[in-house]
Amino acid sequence: KNQVEQSPQSLIILEGKNCTLQCNYTVSPFSNLRWYKQDTGRGPVSLTIMTFSENTKSNGRYTATLDADTKQSSLHITASQLSDSASYICVVSGNTGGFKTIFGAGTRLFVKA
Amino acid sequence: DSGVTQTPKHLITATGQRVTLRCSPRSGDLSVYWYQQSLDQGLQFLIQYYNGEERAKGNILERFSAQQFPDLHSELNLSSLELGDSALYFCASSVAGTSSDNEQFFGPGTRLTVL
Repeated sequence: KNQVEQSPQSLIILEGKNCTLQCNYTVSPFSNLRWYKQDTGRGPVSLTIMTFSENTKSNGRYTATLDADTKQSSLHITASQLSDSASYICVVSGNTGGFKTIFGAGTRLFVKA
Repeated sequence: DSGVTQTPKHLITATGQRVTLRCSPRSGDLSVYWYQQSLDQGLQFLIQYYNGEERAKGNILERFSAQQFPDLHSELNLSSLELGDSALYFCASSVAGTSSDNEQFFGPGTRLTVL
């Protein structure tokens, strides 16, 4: 069964600290993996996209890594800010019985002053 | 601003009623996707249209239906509404339906409250 699992479910950190969010997937064959940021009550916004051959991709203070062999990805946030408080969603696409895009349940991050 | 527009922003209605949510995709995008997000839940994929044709179906109830018109805007119809249908409904669009680089751009959502 094609799945995308994220951990932790929620996370609380202090402003200025770093954190890492995890995403494990079983989608195969794999096409690409995206990380989205969703502010409360708003639509998700894409942060990064990685294909099979890419190991790391940065977008400002956000750095995503991908290990296609172990089917794991992480999103590292450096020097967190209050505005980073949001849900972070891992989305994996693959051509498995027809092209599919599968959303993880998300990690809810709370950054406190 | 993603370029995807959704109307209305908020909708309050009663159980048993029917509502229509509207979505206009980004200029040039052929695919439209509908998602439901209940309180504190993840996004649940409902249905995808590509250039007017249904492309993929997710966990969409029989009481719900959608269509994409020739001008590529889409409508999601929800009927016989129940309290549990209260949620945020997002529309997203992308250039293609099966491309590997299929970034979806999300609209601001419609918040539906069923009383």
